[in-house]
Amino acid sequence: QITLKESGPTLVKPTQTLTLTCTFSGFSLSTSGVGVGWIRQPPGKALEWLALIYWNDDKRYSPSLKSRLTITKDTSKNQVVLTMTNMDPVDTATYYCAHSTAAAGNDYWGQGTLVTVSS
Amino acid sequence: SYELTQPPSVSVSPGQTARITCSGDALPKQYAYWYQQKPGQAPVLVIYKDSERPSGIPERFSGSSSGTTVTLTISGVQAEDEADYYCQSADSSGSEVFGGGTKLTVL
Repeated sequence: QITLKESGPTLVKPTQTLTLTCTFSGFSLSTSGVGVGWIRQPPGKALEWLALIYWNDDKRYSPSLKSRLTITKDTSKNQVVLTMTNMDPVDTATYYCAHSTAAAGNDYWGQGTLVTVSS
Repeated sequence: SYELTQPPSVSVSPGQTARITCSGDALPKQYAYWYQQKPGQAPVLVIYKDSERPSGIPERFSGSSSGTTVTLTISGVQAEDEADYYCQSADSSGSEVFGGGTKLTVL
């Protein structure tokens, strides 16, 4: 059974750096073809794809946010970490992580964590 | 940057067929995926690789592709299908992108 859970601060101040952790079970990020991605959703708005890391440490970023994002993995801990620098109130959103494969897309999602950016 | 275009809303009566389109220049070369999202819940994958249905997804959900447009079809719509639907694909560099979402209303 594949499960993912996001964790991190619920409130950050403008200009601060956000660090989110995705802790997963039921699969290994050392298995060929497997990836973990991050997606966010501002309140009442559409999904926005952020970043993806593959089993082989290949990484992909949203072109519009690439300069602010870093995605890393710790295979031994079954965790993927996303950092986003220079947070702004427009970054207020629910942040999701998801199990991803080329064969089946983002087929398992975490419950999401709401991050509010406010002074 | 690459964009996928969806209609903001689609309305159908119960038992009718709903069709939600998604347009993007790279869709002839990249697979599309569809997600259903109900209020307060995480998205659920309902179609992958243009037309494949994950296990547990009802047969009334189907997907198709033609040129730069992919379509999610829900046959015999039920009240429980009322939700937001998002298409997702990738650009030539492998960066993923979501469409703006379509709100399906069951009248």
